[in-house]
Amino acid sequence: QKEVEQDPGPLSVPEGAIVSLNCTYSNSAFQYFMWYRQYSRKGPELLMYTYSSGNKEDGRFTAQVDKSSKYISLFIRDSQPSDSATYLCAFYTSGTYKYIFGTGTRLKVLA
Amino acid sequence: GAGVSQSPRYKVTKRGQDVALRCDPISGHVSLYWYRQALGQGPEFLTYFNYEAQQDKSGLPNDRFSAERPEGSISTLTIQRTEQRDSAMYRCASSLTGGPLGEKLFFGSGTQLSVL
Repeated sequence: QKEVEQDPGPLSVPEGAIVSLNCTYSNSAFQYFMWYRQYSRKGPELLMYTYSSGNKEDGRFTAQVDKSSKYISLFIRDSQPSDSATYLCAFYTSGTYKYIFGTGTRLKVLA
Repeated sequence: GAGVSQSPRYKVTKRGQDVALRCDPISGHVSLYWYRQALGQGPEFLTYFNYEAQQDKSGLPNDRFSAERPEGSISTLTIQRTEQRDSAMYRCASSLTGGPLGEKLFFGSGTQLSVL
């Protein structure tokens, strides 16, 4: 079983749609949960960072963590063409120095 | 500097040659990471530095790969006797403290390595 599973997409949605991106993981030692956004030909940039189970909201973005199910989600409300990018989930365990990334989901928001 | 700088942006080399990839992290950042990212994949951990100390090199694929950060700032990833399977995007990232809590990684634009 892979440590992190993420659907690669591509996912195409119309402008204004609510987007749901998900990752499952198997390592119960993961303590920190992140979402990075990566535009074409660019490096990943941090979008959301959470520690505990529950929801965290930042503008149009909501990150959700369910540790009991080992499942994390990123919701994008009122999606815009500028949200078109690859979204990578990432995980970290204190003291390991390794950030483990998912394979990324390609999102395309159509105008 | 304003961001993480990597050079060269593109590197084309022949099989069997050695290559050196450079990373200049954000000034003052303690932690430096090297990742490799294949097309359509997420970044794969290679190695981690805390200042000049290489604290984890478990992701380096084999002994042809090495990295250093002699003065705790600029880092070099060296691949000896390159093979075609080494072709990938190599990304450097830095973070402020490298403390036990997860923190934001700042990635560079990467070096695209092509081994012919």
